[in-house]
Amino acid sequence: GAVVSQHPSWVICKSGTSVKIECRSLDFQATTMFWYRQFPKQSLMLMATSNEGSKATYEQGVEKDKFLINHASLTLSTLTVTSAHPEDSSFYICSASGIHLLGAGNTIYFGEGSWLTVV
Amino acid sequence: QKEVEQNSGPLSVPEGAIASLNCTYSDRGSQSFFWYRQYSGKSPELIMSIYSNGDKEDGRFTAQLNKASQYVSLLIRDSQPSDSATYLCAVMRRVVNTPLVFGKGTRLSVIA
Repeated sequence: GAVVSQHPSWVICKSGTSVKIECRSLDFQATTMFWYRQFPKQSLMLMATSNEGSKATYEQGVEKDKFLINHASLTLSTLTVTSAHPEDSSFYICSASGIHLLGAGNTIYFGEGSWLTVV
Repeated sequence: QKEVEQNSGPLSVPEGAIASLNCTYSDRGSQSFFWYRQYSGKSPELIMSIYSNGDKEDGRFTAQLNKASQYVSLLIRDSQPSDSATYLCAVMRRVVNTPLVFGKGTRLSVIA
């Protein structure tokens, strides 16, 4: 089963509204969460890095007030796209780094991704 | 120079042939290297990881790493139509818990 569960898989929202995407880690302590965005036929672009209990570090060009990231626990991180616009339509993917409770060593796991369409 | 570079393709190979995918990276201090397969509209899935120079084999897949040349490759033997996907090369910077840096991906098409 999935080690990192991401929801929703897809969402359509109206321009100007906010959308929250969740990533939950299962049997896994996600000490660090990475959020990526991928436009069609493009590579994954890192948006931000968050460590559990700390503020996220955003990549250059990513608006921290628009893309709110919360990583309050070792099992949950959320990305909220505020005042969404059509140009925010993209595939958003979380990636968790940490220790798998049933395994050994530091591992990176990806969520299933969330398709956001802003109309 | 981009951190991780791949030929975008498409790379077309006949079924049963060997597909060869290449990747170069710019950060000489990079320690960990990964190949992911991504089907259209889906999240990447890990195929291989490699950390030291040489070859690493797993089933039909062989990853090759040459740190001196800053070069990583992935060979897929006995290619199948189900292998048709975009293959992403990813590099981890020096420190653990740092994000993966992805190449743009190479689109592979295996023709039956």
